[in-house]
Amino acid sequence: DIVMTQSPDSLAVSLGERATINCKSSQSVLYSSNNKNYLAWYQQKPGQPPKLLIYWASTRESGVPDRFSGSGSGTDFTLTISSLQAEDVAVYYCQQYYSTPPPLTFGGGTKVEIK
Amino acid sequence: QVQLVESGGGVVQPGRSLRLSCAASGFTFSSYGMHWVRQAPGKGLEWVAVISYDGSNKYYADSVKGRFTISRDNSKNTLYLQMNSLRAEDTAVYYCAKVPIPYYYGSGSYYDYWGQGTLVTVSS
Repeated sequence: DIVMTQSPDSLAVSLGERATINCKSSQSVLYSSNNKNYLAWYQQKPGQPPKLLIYWASTRESGVPDRFSGSGSGTDFTLTISSLQAEDVAVYYCQQYYSTPPPLTFGGGTKVEIK
Repeated sequence: QVQLVESGGGVVQPGRSLRLSCAASGFTFSSYGMHWVRQAPGKGLEWVAVISYDGSNKYYADSVKGRFTISRDNSKNTLYLQMNSLRAEDTAVYYCAKVPIPYYYGSGSYYDYWGQGTLVTVSS
């Protein structure tokens, strides 16, 4: 199984400052035939289901603010919130969907708070 | 708009069974693969099972293989998860989740919509 490791477990960032979350996969999730990274990012607020932010490692879902961006390739990925807003307080998860057959796997989550 | 509404959760004793349902609306259910993902209290997300759009392809996490069965009724726009021989470690909120690409036969996908979840508690 592909193991997804997120860091840090939590971080506190001042309003308007940058937040950076890392995600590392135990093997590459880059599919060579289409040059796509099978990596997604989700945001989960308390009492709510996860919400899709980013897919194919860097494609922002429709309606997601452009302060959210994804980058990386192969085994190392980053979610960046360029200017943290109060409504961004949440837990963020990365997910690989490269595995065929499954299992699909998630990172352990990163909790983002306001400093 | 897309809606996924789970039901069927509750408190159940170890070893007993439960069937979860996920009622879908706002899209052509029969065209999309569907997944179940669970989240134990205070923990992260764990993929459980996937079913293809036509029900012919199914995969399970090792932790539930042989105990859980995913199925769908496209005439009723409903996804199911039959859970047998439940264990304490199956206690979680169970979410159904939709894949974004129609007629996608692969098992790997991200999810563009999630239900609100239904809580299953396995306890004596």
